[in-house]
Amino acid sequence: QVQLQQSGPGLVQPSQTLSLTCAISGDSVSSTSAAWNWIRQSPSRGLEWLGRTYYRSKWYHDYAVSVKSRITISPDTSKNQFSLQVNSVTPDDTAVYFCARASSLGMDVWGQGTTVTVSS
Amino acid sequence: DIQMTQSPSSLSASVGDRVTITCQASQDISNYLNWYQQKPGKAPKLLIYDASNLETGVPSRFSGSGSGTDFTFTISSLQPEDIATYYCQQYDNLPPAFGPGTKVDIK
Repeated sequence: QVQLQQSGPGLVQPSQTLSLTCAISGDSVSSTSAAWNWIRQSPSRGLEWLGRTYYRSKWYHDYAVSVKSRITISPDTSKNQFSLQVNSVTPDDTAVYFCARASSLGMDVWGQGTTVTVSS
Repeated sequence: DIQMTQSPSSLSASVGDRVTITCQASQDISNYLNWYQQKPGKAPKLLIYDASNLETGVPSRFSGSGSGTDFTFTISSLQPEDIATYYCQQYDNLPPAFGPGTKVDIK
């Protein structure tokens, strides 16, 4: 059974960097049949896809245009996990952040969610 | 980017009722459409993939149909445990886009 376990701080100060990690069990971040995604949810934006990383003989990354200049999604093969970094956060980045696996079926496995508040 | 709309935004129905939610894409997405269920405080759960295929373990009272730009999600007989918000999501093009959701309550 594939499981995703999220970790990271729930409070980030404005202008700082938001960092979250998603640990994978039951699958591999290097799987050639999956992509590893970050999605966030807020009352103002609904469910918003942020980006993904995936391995197909080499690593690929795709990011939402809205955050492309501030976001990095990185795989860590040694720990079988992937991470999200969002730089220069503002209160508008306050949201519940989810990691999710995308297979051929869709986003079929999700992390538990992390509520991140941007505030001083 | 492809925009997704859903209707209604919320509905109340009685246990045993048939419930239908519609989802429309701003352009043709073939059958690249998924449906998710989200309960309060939980992550979304995949129910239907490729517009009409039931994910393993999902009760058969859930179904989906449609292709192109217009899609339908149906609960054939509403149960108390179906109280949730339902989202459609396209994956024909990046970025994957979710609809705004339909909140389903028991009358």
